[in-house]
Amino acid sequence: GENVEQHPSTLSVQEGDSAVIKCTYSDSASNYFPWYKQELGKRPQLIIDIRSNVGEKKDQRIAVTLNKTAKHFSLHITETQPEDSAVYFCAASKGGFKTIFGAGTRLFVKA
Amino acid sequence: SQTIHQWPATLVQPVGSPLSLECTVEGTSNPNLYWYRQAAGRGLQLLFYSVGIGQISSEVPQNLSASRPQDRQFILSSKKLLLSDSGFYLCACLSREGGTEAFFGQGTRLTVV
Repeated sequence: GENVEQHPSTLSVQEGDSAVIKCTYSDSASNYFPWYKQELGKRPQLIIDIRSNVGEKKDQRIAVTLNKTAKHFSLHITETQPEDSAVYFCAASKGGFKTIFGAGTRLFVKA
Repeated sequence: SQTIHQWPATLVQPVGSPLSLECTVEGTSNPNLYWYRQAAGRGLQLLFYSVGIGQISSEVPQNLSASRPQDRQFILSSKKLLLSDSGFYLCACLSREGGTEAFFGQGTRLTVV
């Protein structure tokens, strides 16, 4: 079945440094790759997404890259701030249907 | 825009008791609906999804079941809870009207004791 692997499971960075989270997916038909941020005890919320016809997308300090050939996609957060601390989930789907999530990355940003 | 109502927010139930978690959606018609479970410190596991009334697909064999009696209502149930059913349950909605973002309910923290 479909599978999304996410690494690392935990990431600790110093405030101001960059953070990178990587994911791989198994279903080559996947064409939509969202990233969600979940703060403690709250629901996941979409922070950025990318479709399979695009290789890179940027929104302020957040960027996502996609390598369809290798079935890899990554989240990059630059100039990290303490409020970036949360659990981040990558996901893959076909047009948004039946979104399969990665296991999550717990990001700690140390002030 | 879509709004998802999920309740209750927290629930403590004894082993062997029944369960019913309800999720309703506003602001969209004929959505795809999902139930996810998140164990402590873990990722989101897809439990069930539904593409329409009465249509339920199960992703993992388990002690739970789901039903969709109305277009915008999705219910997660169990006849007899197990300790391993404890977790954070999230209902999610995907609109058919051109959107691909999954919107989540506030979640239900279930503790089976």
